[in-house]
Amino acid sequence: SQQGEEDPQALSIQEGENATMNCSYKTSINNLQWYRQNSGRGLVHLILIRSNEREKHSGRLRVTLDTSKKSSSLLITASRAADTASYFCATAARSGGGADGLTFGKGTHLIIQP
Amino acid sequence: GEEVAQTPKHLVRGEGQKAKLYCAPIKGHSYVFWYQQVLKNEFKFLISFQNENVFDETGMPKERFSAKCLPNSPCSLEIQATKLEDSAVYFCASSQPSGRGKNIQYFGAGTRLSVL
Repeated sequence: SQQGEEDPQALSIQEGENATMNCSYKTSINNLQWYRQNSGRGLVHLILIRSNEREKHSGRLRVTLDTSKKSSSLLITASRAADTASYFCATAARSGGGADGLTFGKGTHLIIQP
Repeated sequence: GEEVAQTPKHLVRGEGQKAKLYCAPIKGHSYVFWYQQVLKNEFKFLISFQNENVFDETGMPKERFSAKCLPNSPCSLEIQATKLEDSAVYFCASSQPSGRGKNIQYFGAGTRLSVL
């Protein structure tokens, strides 16, 4: 079964607005990551938050993690047209080993209207 | 190299034919991963390597899929006797063995496999 479930599946907002995406997962994790996929391209890593962290910032990105609810959110502030992409959360197993495969959610497709 | 290189970009095979995909990880990265993405959404983890050793192959279909990462050669993913449901984009990723970026995976652009 799919580990991560993003919500919403699709989101369309105006340029300049903030975009919030949510992710839920099912098992214990070592870390949770967010990736972006532009149409027809590979995944680009955005941000990683460890299981002992609650919030992390990187530029216009803010990620929260609630391990008690097994959920995370990604906030993109002051959105730009270039932010149009699909966003995926991914979790790594509890072991935290570098060779752990990631389990991905189904993704949120974000469209920024100019 | 500075990026994960996957070849070919697109591969077309008739049902029952063999497909072989290649991946050159980023230089210095010890871990290599293969994922399958069907219909532009769900990514399925297939297999991971630590250098040339299989680390986790729990996602690999047992019968027709195999993968290798041999020294001084690109890694490969081979599908024997392809089926229609194997049509997907296959992504390779690599990550470094230690340091702050240990768990971050860098993805290639993918190989689109079309089975007709």
